[in-house]
Amino acid sequence: EAGVAQSPRYKIIEKRQSVAFWCNPISGHATLYWYQQILGQGPKLLIQFQNNGVVDDSQLPKDRFSAERLKGVDSTLKIQPAKLEDSAVYLCASSRRGGLYNEQFFGPGTRLTVL
Amino acid sequence: GDSVTQMEGPVTLSEEAFLTINCTYTATGYPSLFWYVQYPGEGLQLLLKATKADDKGSNKGFEATYRKETTSFHLEKGSVQVSDSAVYFCALMGLTGGGNKLTFGTGTQLKVEL
Repeated sequence: EAGVAQSPRYKIIEKRQSVAFWCNPISGHATLYWYQQILGQGPKLLIQFQNNGVVDDSQLPKDRFSAERLKGVDSTLKIQPAKLEDSAVYLCASSRRGGLYNEQFFGPGTRLTVL
Repeated sequence: GDSVTQMEGPVTLSEEAFLTINCTYTATGYPSLFWYVQYPGEGLQLLLKATKADDKGSNKGFEATYRKETTSFHLEKGSVQVSDSAVYFCALMGLTGGGNKLTFGTGTQLKVEL
């Protein structure tokens, strides 16, 4: 079974530019998550989708971050405009469905550097 | 809100030494508890989990017991190997806003030397 795929693996941009990350979850997984992991910290949930609907986006900075999962499969996370403090690893995860007993499987992440 | 506190690293041990990484949590209700591991250059992997008080999760020689009375979930291994060198994250999952949100600690880097 193929794991969670993410691209690109690395991205370097200047502040105020825009950037987009892509995630393809494990086949058949209805729930998709985006996490932000700042260096030296644990991952923090940005947004959770159940199929193509948003379940939780309470920690997503909506003035600059957006995410979509139009067909309930792959997803994109966009930052526009980027700030220096957005430098982090962006992790995508998926699970069969939501709930306490469904393991989340993580992709390798995209490392973003904002100069 | 929910939070996880784990011991700071880096932790450096000799091969075959005993490992303990402390983890305590604050949460409402009865969360599930997890340990994730991140090997160099790889994504997070679930190492073990426990879903109720007094449960013991175990995998690859690692163990952790869900202690509700002390709100702890310490990770232990009797004899570490060089291949265990990684960053270990303690996490909890509680039901918030209708979803299942993982809240992570800051991670503990483990380095095992020959």
